[in-house]
Amino acid sequence: AQKVTQTQTSISVMEKTTVTMDCVYETQDSSYFLFWYKQTASGEIVFLIRQDSYKKENATVGHYSLNFQKPKSSIGLIITATQIEDSAVYFCAMREGNTGYQNFYFGKGTSLTVIP
Amino acid sequence: EAAVTQSPRNKVAVTGGKVTLSCNQTNNHNNMYWYRQDTGHGLRLIHYSYGAGSTEKGDIPDGYKASRPSQENFSLILELATPSQTSVYFCASGDWDSSGNTLYFGEGSRLIVV
Repeated sequence: AQKVTQTQTSISVMEKTTVTMDCVYETQDSSYFLFWYKQTASGEIVFLIRQDSYKKENATVGHYSLNFQKPKSSIGLIITATQIEDSAVYFCAMREGNTGYQNFYFGKGTSLTVIP
Repeated sequence: EAAVTQSPRNKVAVTGGKVTLSCNQTNNHNNMYWYRQDTGHGLRLIHYSYGAGSTEKGDIPDGYKASRPSQENFSLILELATPSQTSVYFCASGDWDSSGNTLYFGEGSRLIVV
């Protein structure tokens, strides 16, 4: 069973608008960490933002923010004032905190195209 | 900023040949990982390591071996390469504490097995 699911395969938005990418996860751990990564056209994968499960406040970094809905096991990525350079594939990931298996579980990614 | 470098960046190998993908990290992270990325599958874990001398199987280890001779280096070895192993391979490193931290990825190695 997939632990991290991204249902949106691709999204297109106009430049300077706001976009939300969905992600749901599955875990039995009481402590876990959620991440979003960006993969650029060159293939580079970079870390964007993290949400710790015990924190109630939604994380924000620059024009990236998260919509953490713990009861729904959902962690959406919100990009405001999108720019052309935001066009990329975005991966959601989870690391369970109470297990010795130090793996990150990744979703299959959402491809974002920002149209000028 | 963590630095993870992979070599080679591109490789064409023949079926049945041996392929070694190398990874070096300069941030003294204990944990290192090898993932492969294929269309429709996202990132899948092949092998990982908790430190020098240790290797563990990930979710898809068949056909792959790993070696962690030092803190800095982690290699992925395909003893008998097959066309199904054509993929892009990513190495990553990271250390974990109560705040979670994150993974740092290398640039990726594109392998084509013909």
